[in-house]
Amino acid sequence: AQTVTQSQPEMSVQEAETVTLSCTYDTSESDYYLFWYKQPPSRQMILVIRQEAYKQQNATENRFSVNFQKAAKSFSLKISDSQLGDAAMYFCAYALPGTASKLTFGTGTRLQVTL
Amino acid sequence: SQTIHQWPATLVQPVGSPLSLECTVEGTSNPNLYWYRQAAGRGLQLLFYSVGIGQISSEVPQNLSASRPQDRQFILSSKKLLLSDSGFYLCAWSSPLSGRAAGEQYFGPGTRLTVT
Repeated sequence: AQTVTQSQPEMSVQEAETVTLSCTYDTSESDYYLFWYKQPPSRQMILVIRQEAYKQQNATENRFSVNFQKAAKSFSLKISDSQLGDAAMYFCAYALPGTASKLTFGTGTRLQVTL
Repeated sequence: SQTIHQWPATLVQPVGSPLSLECTVEGTSNPNLYWYRQAAGRGLQLLFYSVGIGQISSEVPQNLSASRPQDRQFILSSKKLLLSDSGFYLCAWSSPLSGRAAGEQYFGPGTRLTVT
């Protein structure tokens, strides 16, 4: 079974600074997807960024980028120029391609953004 | 554009009472639908998923059941709630396309259920 591990329960970053959230996963598959989801205080899950395992190039979405290390099974999220609105729980997730892409989530990292 | 709705937003129910949570999706056809539960301070656990009307797959044995009576409607039910059923319930949808287009799920606003 696939597992996703987020070893940082909480992180803090100052506004305008950069922070990196860690995620590791365990799988025997070679083709899969990885995601970072954001859950703000409203608790609605919002997709931040997506990475396909067959792509070596790291995904980027504006201030959000990932460092995907397939051999190490590592998938970290870098947030640049942090903003107060980035404060939230961040979840790393894994899915296999298929008709129903079931997500396996990590336990999350709570990010605080300070002035 | 696609929209996903869940109701109610919050619910307080006594132990032993029935439960019905509803999820509907607009703006897409034949979506894959999912129910997740999030316990306090923890990640999401997949409970059920559905790839079509009447097709339900259960991931975790429990006190809950799911049904999909219409293409874009997904219902989570229980005949008798337990204290351990308390949590935050999220519905999600994904594209029915397979292959490289699959993978992303889009979540509803959730229902906070408290069993007393």
